[in-house]
Amino acid sequence: EIVLTQSPATLSLSPGERATLSCRASQSISSYLAWYQQKPGQAPRLLISDASNRVTGTPARFSGSGSGTDFTLTISSLEPDDFAIYYCQQRGSWPRTFGQGTKVEIK
Amino acid sequence: QVQLVESGGGLVKPGGSLRLSCAASGFAFSDYYMSWIRQAPGKGLEWVSSINERSTYSHYADSVKGRFTVSRDNTKNSLYLQMNSLGAEDTAVYYCASNAWSGYYYPWGQGTLVAVSS
Repeated sequence: EIVLTQSPATLSLSPGERATLSCRASQSISSYLAWYQQKPGQAPRLLISDASNRVTGTPARFSGSGSGTDFTLTISSLEPDDFAIYYCQQRGSWPRTFGQGTKVEIK
Repeated sequence: QVQLVESGGGLVKPGGSLRLSCAASGFAFSDYYMSWIRQAPGKGLEWVSSINERSTYSHYADSVKGRFTVSRDNTKNSLYLQMNSLGAEDTAVYYCASNAWSGYYYPWGQGTLVAVSS
């Protein structure tokens, strides 16, 4: 099973600041990684597919990068709507796995 | 409008069974893998099961293998999850999702809560 480790667990930032979230895989998954955003009481929402492709409707301030085992989600300038929990997920092999999440909270 | 609507959740006693349903609309349901993902209260996301377009392949997390069965009916645009031998560790919100975006989970339903308690 591929383990995805996200860091940090919590990121405390102010609106307008840059957020950098990390996801590390226990073995290479090529670019088969997605990022999801989840707000309280809501289902997750797919933001980024295949490490760096923004899904339709994802604002341009969100960008993904990486391949192999190290991946990054960057939010260039935090908007109030961006404070949420972010999960990475791999589809490189079965079983599919998620990271434990990074909470982006208002400082 | 692309939509997934889960139903069938509720309170069940340990050792009991429950069948979840997911009704799809607004997209070509039969063209995509479909999946169940769950989230225990206050916890992260856990993939549970997936089934391919023609129901010839299904995959399960080790935590549910042998107890849960995924199925689909493409004539009804519906996905199902039969859950047997339920335990407290199965308490969670269960989401259905299509793998319609490059194999990733998109869209998602709103979730249905399964609570296992005596």
